[in-house]
Amino acid sequence: DTGVSQDPRHKITKRGQNVTFRCDPISEHNRLYWYRQTLGQGPEFLTYFQNEAQLEKSRLLSDRFSAERPKGSFSTLEIQRTEQGDSAMYLCASSSQPSGTGNTIYFGEGSWLTVV
Amino acid sequence: AQSVTQPDIHITVSEGASLELRCNYSYGATPYLFWYVQSPGQGLQLLLKYFSGDTLVQGIKGFEAEFKRSQSSFNLRKPSVHWSDAAEYFCAVGVMEYGNKLVFGAGTILRVKS
Repeated sequence: DTGVSQDPRHKITKRGQNVTFRCDPISEHNRLYWYRQTLGQGPEFLTYFQNEAQLEKSRLLSDRFSAERPKGSFSTLEIQRTEQGDSAMYLCASSSQPSGTGNTIYFGEGSWLTVV
Repeated sequence: AQSVTQPDIHITVSEGASLELRCNYSYGATPYLFWYVQSPGQGLQLLLKYFSGDTLVQGIKGFEAEFKRSQSSFNLRKPSVHWSDAAEYFCAVGVMEYGNKLVFGAGTILRVKS
């Protein structure tokens, strides 16, 4: 079990540029989640996938944000035309499908985005 | 809507003293409850979880939490705090209807005095 891996860990970009983050979940976890965390706040849910299907998107996920999980393994989160308000840590997490008794969601180390 | 309240933004305790971090939740069904810890600039590490059964759950690093349905609370405790426990602690409720996504509280920053 290698844990949830995220890349890059840090990204500084100019306003208006596009950025992409990658997440590799724990192998055989079929659920993958993206969260956003700003300073002084708890993580906020953005979206989740079950296998390759994106099953829910938060209202926080504006049309500048897009997430994919093309083969049900790794996932990418792209932010187009970045704004300073996008500066945050983007957390990826994964879990196995609940068996009726709940399951545990494991988080990666996060990808820090700074928009200047 | 589901929500989690952590009333204390900051808590300072002396090393060796006991600790209790408060968490209250709002959720219409039987909750799945979690405590995570986050060191600066790092991701979240699971401390413990409650799904069902015994309302007192044990976690890693000597932490425990007690689920009290009547008070809608899931407070985290540790009998003797170590300097390495200084971090931010997040309580979360799992929303089963939506893929078990987590709704987090705003966190409590723990400072440990030597």
